Amino acid sequence: GAVVSQHPSWVICKSGTSVKIECRSLDFQATTMFWYRQFPKQSLMLMATSNEGSKATYEQGVEKDKFLINHASLTLSTLTVTSAHPEDSSFYICSANRGTPIFGSGTQLSVL
Amino acid sequence: DQQVKQNSPSLSVQEGRISILNCDYTNSMFDYFLWYKKYPAEGPTFLISISSIKDKNEDGRFTVFLNKSAKHLSLHIVPSQPGDSAVYFCAASDAGGTSYGKLTFGQGTILTVHP
Repeated sequence: GAVVSQHPSWVICKSGTSVKIECRSLDFQATTMFWYRQFPKQSLMLMATSNEGSKATYEQGVEKDKFLINHASLTLSTLTVTSAHPEDSSFYICSANRGTPIFGSGTQLSVL
Repeated sequence: DQQVKQNSPSLSVQEGRISILNCDYTNSMFDYFLWYKKYPAEGPTFLISISSIKDKNEDGRFTVFLNKSAKHLSLHIVPSQPGDSAVYFCAASDAGGTSYGKLTFGQGTILTVHP
């Protein structure tokens, strides 16, 4: 079946550094991908919609300059958390549509 | 403003019995509903979905019921198995065009199935 691959699965970084997360659709093309995050014991919250070849659309309250999204090809979207701080520590998940939304395995980000 | 609500944080069921997970929504524009199963530190796995033009969809042990007038849906798992133990999320979408796949999730319900 269709697979969405996300990398890395976990990352630990120092405060102030930037972290890039990759999301790939392995056997299908995705002109649109979605980025969510989940804080402990909370629901998944949509952060932004990644559009191939154009700017991402951010949900209210999500800082576009902090969470940079690039969707340069039909199979790859990246999320870069710039100048990460401890409050950015969260579980980040991407999804793409293949009939139904399919999710990647997620990235656990811990900022020290 | 929580547009999708799962009011039961947890549910405990004995193996072989029925598990019923509930979900309520407030946005009348939602027309497609999905249930996902999730383990900690993993992405959600799709279980079953239902369009707003239907009131029931069945797939093996899983059945989803939709009551549009009440803005309520439920997931029935029969018979429940210990391997079903996980967090279950209800999600909704106003499907169509590129908005499809833009999901609003409930808070999740932790299901524990005891042997």
